[in-house]
Amino acid sequence: DAGVTQSPTHLIKTRGQQVTLRCSPKSGHDTVSWYQQALGQGPQFIFQYYEEEERQRGNFPDRFSGHQFPNYSSELNVNALLLGDSALYLCASSWSGGALGGYTFGSGTRLTVV
Amino acid sequence: LAKTTQPISMDSYEGQEVNITCSHNNIATNDYITWYQQFPSQGPRFIIQGYKTKVTNEVASLFIPADRKSSTLSLPRVSLSDTAVYYCLVGDPDQTGANNLFFGTGTRLTVIP
Repeated sequence: DAGVTQSPTHLIKTRGQQVTLRCSPKSGHDTVSWYQQALGQGPQFIFQYYEEEERQRGNFPDRFSGHQFPNYSSELNVNALLLGDSALYLCASSWSGGALGGYTFGSGTRLTVV
Repeated sequence: LAKTTQPISMDSYEGQEVNITCSHNNIATNDYITWYQQFPSQGPRFIIQGYKTKVTNEVASLFIPADRKSSTLSLPRVSLSDTAVYYCLVGDPDQTGANNLFFGTGTRLTVIP
């Protein structure tokens, strides 16, 4: 049973560019959440997608956007990249019926902006 | 949103029992307490979850007093591979959303040989 899959694992981009990160949730999960984790910090909630719509959003600018597809997979898009966007981006999946047993996280995408 | 407070770091020798305490004074009636473990450059991994009293699994035990304003994660006989950051989260598992996924700074556990 596959867990959460994220791609790519590493990425280097230049300031001002745009990036797309991808996530496939764990089998049986229909809700996807995205997190940004800067070095030495805890993960910060970006947004959550359910039924192809953004359901909740954290304190992130509009440069961060997302999408969820009918198969529950999701993308995170970041426009006009800043050096401060360099971080580990994590995807977590869960079932909309409840999160007893916790959320399942992927291994993340390490984004470096130069 | 129930905020949690944990020690920033802890050191322990191999083979010892480690107890990490988390304070959550504003925990709501329907909130559960969930602990995650995170290794460098990996996503957090679910360890244990509980509502009250004591929960035990093959990895850890979770102790929750009657007032539920704190909880203690207990790791028996730690090894070097238990060196990681441990996060305590509080939220209602029936309401998926950001309130379930607020990570503080966590506790950095270092196991010493």
